[in-house]
Amino acid sequence: KQEVTQIPAALSVPEGENLVLNCSFTDSAIYNLQWFRQDPGKGLTSLLLIQSSQREQTSGRLNASLDKSSGRSTLYIAASQPGDSATYLCAVCSSGSARQLTFGSGTQLTVLP
Amino acid sequence: EAGVAQSPRYKIIEKRQSVAFWCNPISGHATLYWYQQILGQGPKLLIQFQNNGVVDDSQLPKDRFSAERLKGVDSTLKIQPAKLEDSAVYLCASSPWGAGQGVSDTQYFGPGTRLTVL
Repeated sequence: KQEVTQIPAALSVPEGENLVLNCSFTDSAIYNLQWFRQDPGKGLTSLLLIQSSQREQTSGRLNASLDKSSGRSTLYIAASQPGDSATYLCAVCSSGSARQLTFGSGTQLTVLP
Repeated sequence: EAGVAQSPRYKIIEKRQSVAFWCNPISGHATLYWYQQILGQGPKLLIQFQNNGVVDDSQLPKDRFSAERLKGVDSTLKIQPAKLEDSAVYLCASSPWGAGQGVSDTQYFGPGTRLTVL
């Protein structure tokens, strides 16, 4: 059974800092890995999706990497802004026909002005 | 393109009462998912439909939870009777996956229904 762990559970940084969020998973037989953002009272917004054959994906100030063999992914946020404050969730899509996601518990990020 | 719609957005009930949630997926999406997200945790899959058939309901507490997907479009999730530990956000997601060859498996999430059981 796939298990996904995110560290740290919470993080508070001053505006402008670069930061890294970590995600680890137990079963390397994955189809893809996705990073989501969740704002209070809102649904999930997909940020980046990395296919199992890829090493990284970039979107603006966000960069996500994937090391499937070691079961790790990182989300790098450059030049953080107060608007980046949210919970960031890592989700793994396991190989198979069902395309189901297993989520980590998330990292709650606060960027202080 | 309209997103995934869910209602109600908030619901407060007393334990042992029943409650139902509704989800309208994105038009044309074959697969529909219901997730439970307890405060401080990530979403946990409860049930997955493809068209109007159940793909996986292994994590659905079937003694109190039930779900159906009418004509392969809208879906309802029901809890009867509710327990205190059912307090959570219930998220619905849909995906084109299963609608044919080469379609995306990206899931699109609705805003969720926040349930409080007193």
